[in-house]
Amino acid sequence: DAGITQSPRHKVTETGTPVTLRCHQTENHRYMYWYRQDPGHGLRLIHYSYGVKDTDKGEVSDGYSVSRSKTEDFLLTLESATSSQTSVYFCAIRLLSGQGAGELFFGEGSRLTVL
Amino acid sequence: AQSVTQLDSQVPVFEEAPVELRCNYSSSVSVYLFWYVQYPNQGLQLLLKYLSGSTLVKGINGFEAEFNKSQTSFHLRKPSVHISDTAEYFCAVSDRANAGKSTFGDGTTLTVKP
Repeated sequence: DAGITQSPRHKVTETGTPVTLRCHQTENHRYMYWYRQDPGHGLRLIHYSYGVKDTDKGEVSDGYSVSRSKTEDFLLTLESATSSQTSVYFCAIRLLSGQGAGELFFGEGSRLTVL
Repeated sequence: AQSVTQLDSQVPVFEEAPVELRCNYSSSVSVYLFWYVQYPNQGLQLLLKYLSGSTLVKGINGFEAEFNKSQTSFHLRKPSVHISDTAEYFCAVSDRANAGKSTFGDGTTLTVKP
């Protein structure tokens, strides 16, 4: 078990407010990812990190920022939430060794509703 | 750039029937291939993966998939499905370099009927 915790699990907010989602892992995995899941679109990569303070954009990064000041925490911030950011957000880590090499291990998801 | 196409958005089948969920991909570089399953209100979990070697890979819950390089496909199969297999299934490709970013298909909803 890669030990990923996402918080909050559910959040309802209003347009224009800032929102931060947190992903916490317990096993010092180097690579961490934020995806959003929308009906008919599968999972789309927002941002990813390959180490402390090392982050890069994914395919749908507009309107989002991330930070990783510690190995175990990867934060996703919506500076000013919009209704189009209503989605389910998944954090994932990449397993690099052992039987799980190459695969992603996902958190339980954070459901965000922007009114 | 890489992309994944899951050819069926919904697949209804009867219990104990065989099923195939189709996945095609495109990539300019070598990739890893994966199938993930998502049960309602849960995160995704790995069903199986192809990294190298034998093109027929077996996963959990009796699923298997075959990597076909010439057809750039990675179809998922199960010879006899159960009600409990009802879920959404995602095919994904991962760049072997470039931080291993994964690209997902849009998903196939498998509904197993009694």
